[in-house]
Amino acid sequence: GQQLNQSPQSMFIQEGEDVSMNCTSSSIFNTWLWYKQDPGEGPVLLIALYKAGELTSNGRLTAQFGITRKDSFLNISASIPSDVGIYFCAGQGTGGFKTIFGAGTRLFVKA
Amino acid sequence: DTGVSQDPRHKITKRGQNVTFRCDPISEHNRLYWYRQTLGQGPEFLTYFQNEAQLEKSRLLSDRFSAERPKGSFSTLEIQRTEQGDSAMYLCASTDRTAGELFFGEGSRLTVL
Repeated sequence: GQQLNQSPQSMFIQEGEDVSMNCTSSSIFNTWLWYKQDPGEGPVLLIALYKAGELTSNGRLTAQFGITRKDSFLNISASIPSDVGIYFCAGQGTGGFKTIFGAGTRLFVKA
Repeated sequence: DTGVSQDPRHKITKRGQNVTFRCDPISEHNRLYWYRQTLGQGPEFLTYFQNEAQLEKSRLLSDRFSAERPKGSFSTLEIQRTEQGDSAMYLCASTDRTAGELFFGEGSRLTVL
């Protein structure tokens, strides 16, 4: 079945550093989504990408939809302690009914 | 609060018991999804409803699992004869779009002893 490979698995960074994480797939997706999940909560959408090559920002977050439609990356600039959490990439194929998630990148920020 | 609501938030049960989870989607969202998430993993797709019709079921959804959305509004996910391997967070999501954001609830955490 479809799988998303998300890396790195975890990151330990200092407050103020920039962060980059990515997601790759063997399948083509029509939509890429980036979610953040805090402990004991459901995932919350950060950025949605709908077109190959699209670069979208949301505050300190920037994400890009890869030109091949098989990858995406998320950057966080000037990290702060509240950025701590698990970041998931997700891909949607045609019709969007089945959204496939990566295994997540766990971000730890040291103040 | 008009987000996706799930109940109960936590359920502890003994192996072999039946459990039922309820999801109330965002009002007028016609698409509803159930996902399962185990520790250290991303959410895994279980099933999908468009209105009251269940259009897709994952192979993860064994015959002990059944989901319904009788009137196209709230949905229930029942697990019969629970096993320890069923311990997970069960997440519900809804949307009114054909692509893009799924709005997730806070999840129902199941622990099977």
